[in-house]
Amino acid sequence: EAQVTQNPRYLITVTGKKLTVTCSQNMNHEYMSWYRQDPGLGLRQIYYSMNVEVTDKGDVPEGYKVSRKEKRNFPLILESPSPNQTSLYFCASSLVAGGDEQFFGPGTRLTVL
Amino acid sequence: DQQVKQNSPSLSVQEGRISILNCDYTNSMFDYFLWYKKYPAEGPTFLISISSIKDKNEDGRFTVFLNKSAKHLSLHIVPSQPGDSAVYFCAVLYNFNKFYFGSGTKLNVKP
Repeated sequence: EAQVTQNPRYLITVTGKKLTVTCSQNMNHEYMSWYRQDPGLGLRQIYYSMNVEVTDKGDVPEGYKVSRKEKRNFPLILESPSPNQTSLYFCASSLVAGGDEQFFGPGTRLTVL
Repeated sequence: DQQVKQNSPSLSVQEGRISILNCDYTNSMFDYFLWYKKYPAEGPTFLISISSIKDKNEDGRFTVFLNKSAKHLSLHIVPSQPGDSAVYFCAVLYNFNKFYFGSGTKLNVKP
């Protein structure tokens, strides 16, 4: 089944404790992206990747890192999480950059205390 | 400041009637627009898109209209069905790689 998977689905952590949210797609997509969804703000793009080893900042990259060492994986790293990073995070992928049909993962609910 | 705005947080419509969801954008350079639908506890799913060279695109019960001079697009759902109840996000694709989303409109279709 073609899908984007994210792990974990739920995470409660404390300020300053490094964490990684994994994202994997099995569709051989070139483009991958991370978003956060907050009430009243919709989805905001954090980082995106056009292909392996090619990443760039989205609208709200501060406090986040990403890497794209393999085509299928695009982990989101929070080196020192803070409470304002409490949010619902979505990973997405599409065949190519500019492809309109992005496939989204099920989301990761992160709470930073 | 938000590049894409959906000013109606919610909309309630009777089954069988038309649902009209609206979206405004700020940058006249935007040239590709999309609508996504999101059910609770799921990721958004792509619904329909339109390029700035067109002013209308249809896909079954869903039609998107684009008014470039007003920097406005709308999604029409006809006829609305209870299964259409979801949050709808308007989005723009900028420069082939950046996406800007609106804040969403929660549609409730009453049986």
